[in-house]
Amino acid sequence: NAGVTQTPKFQVLKTGQSMTLQCAQDMNHNSMYWYRQDPGMGLRLIYYSASEGTTDKGEVPNGYNVSRLNKREFSLRLESAAPSQTSVYFCASSPRRGSSYNEQFFGPGTRLTVL
Amino acid sequence: GENVGLHLPTLSVQEGDNSIINCAYSNSASDYFIWYKQESGKGPQFIIDIRSNMDKRQGQRVTVLLNKTVKHLSLQIAATQPGDSAVYFCAETVESGYSTLTFGKGTMLLVSP
Repeated sequence: NAGVTQTPKFQVLKTGQSMTLQCAQDMNHNSMYWYRQDPGMGLRLIYYSASEGTTDKGEVPNGYNVSRLNKREFSLRLESAAPSQTSVYFCASSPRRGSSYNEQFFGPGTRLTVL
Repeated sequence: GENVGLHLPTLSVQEGDNSIINCAYSNSASDYFIWYKQESGKGPQFIIDIRSNMDKRQGQRVTVLLNKTVKHLSLQIAATQPGDSAVYFCAETVESGYSTLTFGKGTMLLVSP
């Protein structure tokens, strides 16, 4: 049981390049999330998927797109990377059913630098 | 991440001391709160949670206190150990419907042997 896995662990891009961050969970969780973490800013929600087949914007969605490929996988795409997107990106999942909240389990993060 | 601690409030304690980390939350409608621990280079890890119908909850060496009147949470760690050194985040949400977690900016705890 690996929990939440993310690839790649590190990435350096040039401005304007595109890339996709991959996330997978093996806990049969319904909900998945993408966050970015910047120094002194805490975690900010980019997009989330409450259940397979749905996605919604979070606090900072501009410049990103997401795909909930199936129940296990939730990818984050940067179409045209900008230096402001240099950050650490975390994927998370939670069992979340109905109105009862469950804790979120986090992956190890992807450290992205855009030059 | 490695530089998540930049510009964060920092609490420095000696091994064996008790630590208290504070958090002011923003939404008076929030009714579910979580504390996370983030070690350098790793993702956040759940420590303890509390719902708004309680004002105190205890775990192993940790206690969370909730004061809804002033919208304040605290995390108390007993007999702090060097392995407790990390950044600690509080998070809040409204449990009904589908509300997402809102995270605080975090506090760095440094424990000296």
